[in-house]
Amino acid sequence: DQQVKQNSPSLSVQEGRISILNCDYTNSMFDYFLWYKKYPAEGPTFLISISSIKDKNEDGRFTVFLNKSAKHLSLHIVPSQPGDSAVYFCAASANFGNEKLTFGTGTRLTIIP
Amino acid sequence: DTAVSQTPKYLVTQMGNDKSIKCEQNLGHDTMYWYKQDSKKFLKIMFSYNNKELIINETVPNRFSPKSPDKAHLNLHINSLELGDSAVYFCASSQGEGGYNSPLHFGNGTRLTVT
Repeated sequence: DQQVKQNSPSLSVQEGRISILNCDYTNSMFDYFLWYKKYPAEGPTFLISISSIKDKNEDGRFTVFLNKSAKHLSLHIVPSQPGDSAVYFCAASANFGNEKLTFGTGTRLTIIP
Repeated sequence: DTAVSQTPKYLVTQMGNDKSIKCEQNLGHDTMYWYKQDSKKFLKIMFSYNNKELIINETVPNRFSPKSPDKAHLNLHINSLELGDSAVYFCASSQGEGGYNSPLHFGNGTRLTVT
């Protein structure tokens, strides 16, 4: 049972444009959401998070939006840069992160120079 | 100055063998984890330890045995390796139980291939 879904396995975006990565979840107990970024042959690195008490969190070029009623979150990267090319994983947990993380299968983002 | 380091990076072995993967973190975190990323790219938790004590043990065959000699180390021993054990294994750490404002820090993974 895949509780966190990233339905787009890959996405290509022109440099300088906005990248939008999407994530859907099914478990209504999830209240804490994170995005991790992964380069080849490296481990995932934390990018940004949001708790269910917010609907938006911003950190520089990265913004995460949460729509609880739709059980949907998205990561916006603007402007996109070549170094953003990586696999992005969405993850979720209950109890504000104090329970195990459930990850999506990732979206490979390619920024075209 | 690696924060979470795991060895070896690659491990190729035959079915039936026993192997270990080591993990060390120098972040001062008190919780460590093992995650498995299978061929379908699912990243799933296997175990977590808090201050050397097992706190999460997912449905993992008991051929897999984690060992935490101290809170900076979490090793994974696998007995009687099977083809289906081929995957990338990631070690991770966090402060507390990885809750709000305490994200996981991952190692670079160990690619295990069982032939």
